[in-house]
Amino acid sequence: NAGVTQTPKFQVLKTGQSMTLQCAQDMNHNSMYWYRQDPGMGLRLIYYSASEGTTDKGEVPNGYNVSRLNKREFSLRLESAAPSQTSVYFCASSTSGQETQYFGPGTRLLVL
Amino acid sequence: AQRVTQPEKLLSVFKGAPVELKCNYSYSGSPELFWYVQYSRQRLQLLLRHISRESIKGFTADLNKGETSFHLKKPFAQEEDSAMYYCALSGPGGSEKLVFGKGTKLTVNP
Repeated sequence: NAGVTQTPKFQVLKTGQSMTLQCAQDMNHNSMYWYRQDPGMGLRLIYYSASEGTTDKGEVPNGYNVSRLNKREFSLRLESAAPSQTSVYFCASSTSGQETQYFGPGTRLLVL
Repeated sequence: AQRVTQPEKLLSVFKGAPVELKCNYSYSGSPELFWYVQYSRQRLQLLLRHISRESIKGFTADLNKGETSFHLKKPFAQEEDSAMYYCALSGPGGSEKLVFGKGTKLTVNP
């Protein structure tokens, strides 16, 4: 099993450009999450999906959109990137909210 | 509101010394608590969780409801323990979110 995979691993964007971060899991998990990790700020939840067909905002949703394409895939879209969105983005999945979350390797995003 | 506080951003100890990473939480009910670890250039992974009461890689953590703490301890630190450690909380009753602390970077010096 690959677990949780993310693409791309690294991306450089110019301010105003858009992009989609892809995440997939092969563990048949119901719940999926997107976090951003910034120095001194820890992990902050952007959006999550408790099940296929549902999405909810987390702590820092502004400037992002998500799509739970199917049970396996959960994408994060930046419509108009800003330098403040420079960060490392992690996707995670779990069987439910109270259970262990399994993380992807992360995507490093630099917005110039 | 749920909140997790890790008061130390950085913690440095020598190999063989005891180590304690502090975690305090704010939650009105009975939370589920976790410690996650991120080694250099690796993804975050679960180290241990309260409900399993396991000792992983020599680490233990005890839930103290009176002090609302879930400190992570190891009696003899090893260099390979150097990593970023995150305490996290999940509320029961259908809560779908984990709330993470800001993390503590542990450095174990030779």
